[in-house]
Amino acid sequence: DAGVIQSPRHEVTEMGQEVTLRCKPISGHDYLFWYRQTMMRGLELLIYFNNNVPIDDSGMPEDRFSAKMPNASFSTLKIQPSEPRDSAVYFCASSQTGTSGNTIYFGEGSWLTVV
Amino acid sequence: KNQVEQSPQSLIILEGKNCTLQCNYTVSPFSNLRWYKQDTGRGPVSLTIMTFSENTKSNGRYTATLDADTKQSSLHITASQLSDSASYICVVSDSIFSGGYNKLIFGAGTRLAVHP
Repeated sequence: DAGVIQSPRHEVTEMGQEVTLRCKPISGHDYLFWYRQTMMRGLELLIYFNNNVPIDDSGMPEDRFSAKMPNASFSTLKIQPSEPRDSAVYFCASSQTGTSGNTIYFGEGSWLTVV
Repeated sequence: KNQVEQSPQSLIILEGKNCTLQCNYTVSPFSNLRWYKQDTGRGPVSLTIMTFSENTKSNGRYTATLDADTKQSSLHITASQLSDSASYICVVSDSIFSGGYNKLIFGAGTRLAVHP
């Protein structure tokens, strides 16, 4: 299995620009998670989907962030407009039947720098 | 407040030596505890998952222990290798099942450097 695939791996953008991060979960997994990792705050859950439906977006920092999952094999995380404080590593992860005793598989991350 | 605290924050050991990383948590109710390894520039990779009834689990040279009474876990690395240099993250899941998902509480990680 190819694992969770994220793109782009690295992005540098100017403040105010729109950023779109993409994720392909592991085939057959019904949960998809978006995490953000910074030195100061560690790993934080932003939002998660179950069977393509957003379940909990309470971790999304503000309205500038939005996430979609149009089908079982694709999800996007969009930041519009981007700000320097959004600079972080964004991880997509997937799991089967939820996290209760099931492994969450992380992608390699999208390293975002907003200047 | 649910918290996961790891110690030490960072650690340097020589190749071939053993080491033990600590994790204390205050998560309640408790469901399971996971250890992840995160190489620099990569995503976290699961090492072990332990439920309440398990007090030890091994994955190669990695052995995790869990004391649910004292709410402590440790990750022991035997005969360390240069490739063990990474951050090790302790993650605790509560047992409040909401929307099919048990919330994960992440520790800040221990950064391990193995030197030749």
